[in-house]
Amino acid sequence: SAVISQKPSRDICQRGTSLTIQCQVDSQVTMMFWYRQQPGQSLTLIATANQGSEATYESGFVIDKFPISRPNLTFSTLTVSNMSPEDSSIYLCSVGGERDQPQHFGDGTRLSIL
Amino acid sequence: GENVEQHPSTLSVQEGDSAVIKCTYSDSASNYFPWYKQELGKRPQLIIDIRSNVGEKKDQRIAVTLNKTAKHFSLHITETQPEDSAVYFCAASPPNTGNQFYFGTGTSLTVIP
Repeated sequence: SAVISQKPSRDICQRGTSLTIQCQVDSQVTMMFWYRQQPGQSLTLIATANQGSEATYESGFVIDKFPISRPNLTFSTLTVSNMSPEDSSIYLCSVGGERDQPQHFGDGTRLSIL
Repeated sequence: GENVEQHPSTLSVQEGDSAVIKCTYSDSASNYFPWYKQELGKRPQLIIDIRSNVGEKKDQRIAVTLNKTAKHFSLHITETQPEDSAVYFCAASPPNTGNQFYFGTGTSLTVIP
């Protein structure tokens, strides 16, 4: 399966600042997704990163807070904007094919907000 | 959207015993159901999946069953080993959503040597 590199692996940030997380895949993939996993919790889908167009956000997530880019079929970024302690979480990117295909996850970015 | 419930939230078994984790989903049109294992501090990894045209799938000690009428699916692990200890997540994927996954709340499995 594809090799997925996510950067940074962890960061500690001040409230009110923004952080951009990168997800790089070693081969072209159809679908890329961003998830949030709060401590001890499940994975919650933030959005589908669409190549060449605006991301598709899930209920409860908005573009102003979580802007996403996907300039090509191997790369995507997620920005967490104007961070607060409630944004402390693990953010994971995943890649997959079209319908009925598994997704494979990056190692995640562990984000702590002070 | 799709809502997936998962039970139990924690499960402890003796080494060599079987473990069963159950999930229910709300969208009857969902047609793809993967299971992931997440060890502490690691990424979720796919262990098995099943599509709606199949009732059961097995891979060595792991099996998944699907009951579309009742909208539930289960993970069965036989002859459990300490390395099976992890958090397991089920997910459902409705059609026409671009292969989006909606995850259950997770089951923390502990296998006692």
